[in-house]
Amino acid sequence: QVQLVQSGAEVKKPGASVKVSCKASGYTFTSYGISWVRQAPGQGLEWMGWISAYNGNTNYAQKLQGRVTMTTDTSTSTAYMELRSLRSDDTAVYYCARDQRQLYAGYYYYYMDVWGKGTTVTVSS
Amino acid sequence: EIVLTQSPGTLSLSPGERATLSCRASQSVSSSYLAWYQQKPGQAPRLLIYGASSRATGIPDRFSGSGSGTDFTLTISRLEPEDFAVYYCQQYGSSLGYTFGQGTKLEIK
Repeated sequence: QVQLVQSGAEVKKPGASVKVSCKASGYTFTSYGISWVRQAPGQGLEWMGWISAYNGNTNYAQKLQGRVTMTTDTSTSTAYMELRSLRSDDTAVYYCARDQRQLYAGYYYYYMDVWGKGTTVTVSS
Repeated sequence: EIVLTQSPGTLSLSPGERATLSCRASQSVSSSYLAWYQQKPGQAPRLLIYGASSRATGIPDRFSGSGSGTDFTLTISRLEPEDFAVYYCQQYGSSLGYTFGQGTKLEIK
């Protein structure tokens, strides 16, 4: 079955970096992109960015530009999200999601249809 | 950037009742760019509706989506106990990526 398996919880100090992995299975990895979404404690969902697993093109949320890098390893069907210069307000659950960009009947559809279970990142001194 | 505003913030209903959740956009959104998700405590979001009105695979037909332009609605025709959760709408903004509404919490009355 289609699934995304994320790496385990991380605890980091302010100023450090974190790299979260997301291993895909059950589908052709390079046929889709991966979006990363985070959720601070008790808060809503925040889109962080997208990477094409086909050609590595990326699109990052403006507020994270310069601090986030998304990559893929097609040999292992794994996506990575690295966030640098961590601050306390980066404490959140980080999700990867399969990003559907589907052309149907002349219209493009955009949505996230499969999600990982999430990786908790805690930033604390 | 398009802002999505969901209402109400919290909706208190009983099993068997009908739920109507609203998502209003600050500018017109293409219907094919609008999706709805359900999130239960401690779980990842789950896709319910894409293209404003198409149910995702495995989603019961008591869930339906409608709307166009700036006003979109998620309707749950008869609430089951497992439907009590937080619901988010989402839109795709091309080079600006995705934005989510702030969520509607559907709680048992």
